[in-house]
Amino acid sequence: KQEVTQIPAALSVPEGENLVLNCSFTDSAIYNLQWFRQDPGKGLTSLLLIQSSQREQTSGRLNASLDKSSGRSTLYIAASQPGDSATYLCAASPGNQFYFGTGTSLTVIP
Amino acid sequence: DAGVIQSPRHEVTEMGQEVTLRCKLISGHNSLFWYRQTMMRGLELLIYFNNNVPIDDSGMPEDRFSAKMPNASFSTLKIQPSEPRDSAVYFCASSLTWNTEAFFGQGTRLTVV
Repeated sequence: KQEVTQIPAALSVPEGENLVLNCSFTDSAIYNLQWFRQDPGKGLTSLLLIQSSQREQTSGRLNASLDKSSGRSTLYIAASQPGDSATYLCAASPGNQFYFGTGTSLTVIP
Repeated sequence: DAGVIQSPRHEVTEMGQEVTLRCKLISGHNSLFWYRQTMMRGLELLIYFNNNVPIDDSGMPEDRFSAKMPNASFSTLKIQPSEPRDSAVYFCASSLTWNTEAFFGQGTRLTVV
């Protein structure tokens, strides 16, 4: 079974800093990896999807990378803002479901 | 499109009662996932449908849980009888196909007392 780990569990940074969230997975046989954002009491908002044939995806201030061989993905957030405060979840998919990590709770301090 | 729509948003019920959670997929999406989120276990897949057919229900906790897709745009998750340990947030998600981007609903927060 795919195991997905996210480190750190919580992160607090001052506004304006660039930061990296880490995601590791045990089985490299994935079709894609997706990053989500979850605000308290809310659903999951899709941020980026990286197909297994891709190495990275960018959307605005977000950049996600994927290294299947090492079982790792990173989410880079540039110039962080207080509005970025949320829990970030990564999910690895072998094709028929998403296996989720437990998330990184990010707080951006004004 | 309004996205994946779940109802109700909150449900409080007494132990032993039947609970039905509802989900409307994004138009044109062919894959549907039901997940459950708890503090202890995070997000767990309960069941996955593709083209209205259940593909993997190995995550359904026990026979008290059942899920259906009566048509291509709608699904229900039923718990009968409900127990306090079923208390969680239940999410449904849909995607165009089984290996494309998944979009989640806002969830149903279920409390069984």
